[in-house]
Amino acid sequence: DQQVKQNSPSLSVQEGRISILNCDYTNSMFDYFLWYKKYPAEGPTFLISISSIKDKNEDGRFTVFLNKSAKHLSLHIVPSQPGDSAVYFCAASARGTGTASKLTFGTGTRLQVTL
Amino acid sequence: DVKVTQSSRYLVKRTGEKVFLECVQDMDHENMFWYRQDPGLGLRLIYFSYDVKMKEKGDIPEGYSVSREKKERFSLILESASTNQTSMYLCAVVRRPYGYTFGSGTRLTVV
Repeated sequence: DQQVKQNSPSLSVQEGRISILNCDYTNSMFDYFLWYKKYPAEGPTFLISISSIKDKNEDGRFTVFLNKSAKHLSLHIVPSQPGDSAVYFCAASARGTGTASKLTFGTGTRLQVTL
Repeated sequence: DVKVTQSSRYLVKRTGEKVFLECVQDMDHENMFWYRQDPGLGLRLIYFSYDVKMKEKGDIPEGYSVSREKKERFSLILESASTNQTSMYLCAVVRRPYGYTFGSGTRLTVV
């Protein structure tokens, strides 16, 4: 069973507009969430994270929103740039269960930012 | 930040061969992980290790084994490579305070 889901396999956005990537989870024990960005032939790189005690975290053009009651999080990129074109993975961790370092990943969303 | 090095970027192996994928980190972290990435399936955990000589199965361990003889090195072994093991293999180390730092990945093709 897929505990972390990214239902949109791909997304196309014009340069300068907002990109919104969505992620849903089913495990109520998850209390820490991360977004990773991956270019072809490279390993994923950490982008931004959020703890379950918050509902928003911002870092430059990137903002992550968490809705615990809906078990939903989203990544907003404003403004989108061509260099943002990559695959984005949502990941979750259950820190309070003692398996703090183990991450569960979603299936990824391929973002294409067009000129 | 920790540096994670995977020895090969691209590998082509024949069906039935024994394959070794190597991962080395430079920060003495205990926790290391092997994932594979496939289109539409995301990143799936194969094996992980919390310390030297300690290993635990992930979600898809079948057909794989691992070795952790030294803290800095975590090896993934394909005992008898099959075509369904063609994939991108990613090694990861815990990034403080949470999350991972990944290696560059090894694209393995089994023919």
